Amino acid sequence: NAGVTQTPKFQVLKTGQSMTLQCAQDMNHEYMSWYRQDPGMGLRLIHYSVGAGITDQGEVPNGYNVSRSTTEDFPLRLLSAAPSQTSVYFCASRSIARLRGGDTEAFFGQGTRLTVV
Amino acid sequence: AQSVSQHNHHVILSEAASLELGCNYSYGGTVNLFWYVQYPGQHLQLLLKYFSGDPLVKGIKGFEAEFIKSKFSFNLRKPSVQWSDTAEYFCAVNAGSSNTGKLIFGQGTTLQVKP
Repeated sequence: NAGVTQTPKFQVLKTGQSMTLQCAQDMNHEYMSWYRQDPGMGLRLIHYSVGAGITDQGEVPNGYNVSRSTTEDFPLRLLSAAPSQTSVYFCASRSIARLRGGDTEAFFGQGTRLTVV
Repeated sequence: AQSVSQHNHHVILSEAASLELGCNYSYGGTVNLFWYVQYPGQHLQLLLKYFSGDPLVKGIKGFEAEFIKSKFSFNLRKPSVQWSDTAEYFCAVNAGSSNTGKLIFGQGTTLQVKP
């Protein structure tokens, strides 16, 4: 079982460069999200999606774009990288479980450590 | 807006000591509550969760948490910690409709257990 797969694991960018962080899940989860993890600040929600074609902003969306063309994939795009975007990025997915009437746990990818110089 | 606050940022304990990590959330309605653990160099893993029913929830590796609605709290406890419990611990809340899916995390607590 692959679960949530993130690529790449490590990346170094120059200021102003753009790139896409990939996230894929094979659990048919409706909900996917991107977080950034910074020391002393926990995980902050960047963007999330409750299904294909639907995305919304989280707490810290500026400088990032997302799209959700399929249930499986939820890429995060950095439009013009800045040093403030140096962080560890986590993708997570979960089943909304509407039919069961309750929530379920979120599954996380291994993370992408991004450094912007 | 929903928020989660973890009071202890860095905790250092000796093996066999008891652990309690504080977590408070701000939301007046129905909540689902979680504790996640992140071991060094790894991704987040679920320790335990509360949706409804018994407010005392037992999780993996001997951890438990108690939901106290009147105090908006969901503190994590373990009677006797081990060196292998050294990790970062995150409290998270999913507030409102169960269909939103959005999880809000606290700042995290780093636990260091000395052998």
